[in-house]
Amino acid sequence: GQSLEQPSEVTAVEGAIVQINCTYQTSGFYGLSWYQQHDGGAPTFLSYNALDGLEETGRFSSFLSRSDSYGYLLLQELQMKDSASYFCAVLNYGGSQGNLIFGKGTKLSVKP
Amino acid sequence: EAQVTQNPRYLITVTGKKLTVTCSQNMNHEYMSWYRQDPGLGLRQIYYSMNVEVTDKGDVPEGYKVSRKEKRNFPLILESPSPNQTSLYFCASRDRESSYEQYFGPGTRLTVT
Repeated sequence: GQSLEQPSEVTAVEGAIVQINCTYQTSGFYGLSWYQQHDGGAPTFLSYNALDGLEETGRFSSFLSRSDSYGYLLLQELQMKDSASYFCAVLNYGGSQGNLIFGKGTKLSVKP
Repeated sequence: EAQVTQNPRYLITVTGKKLTVTCSQNMNHEYMSWYRQDPGLGLRQIYYSMNVEVTDKGDVPEGYKVSRKEKRNFPLILESPSPNQTSLYFCASRDRESSYEQYFGPGTRLTVT
């Protein structure tokens, strides 16, 4: 089967660094994405890793290790506005179909 | 502005009364999906469409129907809603199946009493 595992909740303080891990089991793997969703809002795309290594976009970085079926989202210099849920998603593209499969999300609470 | 729109945003209805949630995108995307989001369960895909007149079931299709007669529109139909379909629904689109960036609509909060 296909599955993604990520912690359900993470708490950190303003200005700190937090890492949200994601492990996956899937066939036809094409890449790992991250989405952010604020309470009451829609998920929005943050980043994508197709190859192993670290991708940096401002305060956010995302890492992928395909051999370990593992990735993480790193948030630096945390701000209160970073309080949100973060979803990892795997692009599972095989045969005639491609699909984005989402983890259950990690709720990040940033404290003053 | 590139966007996915859904209507209505909020809906309270009664068991058995047919309803349709509309979804439209203005990005000429081939691939569209419907998800439902429930606490602790994440985003679960209901149906998806790879192009006009091509649709298929996702993980939780029971009780739902979809159609894709035009590329931009992908309505979700609940023929006989039940209370267990009370949820937050998102429509989403992406350029094609192999695209990794997905755009979501603002969501429709449905309550079935």
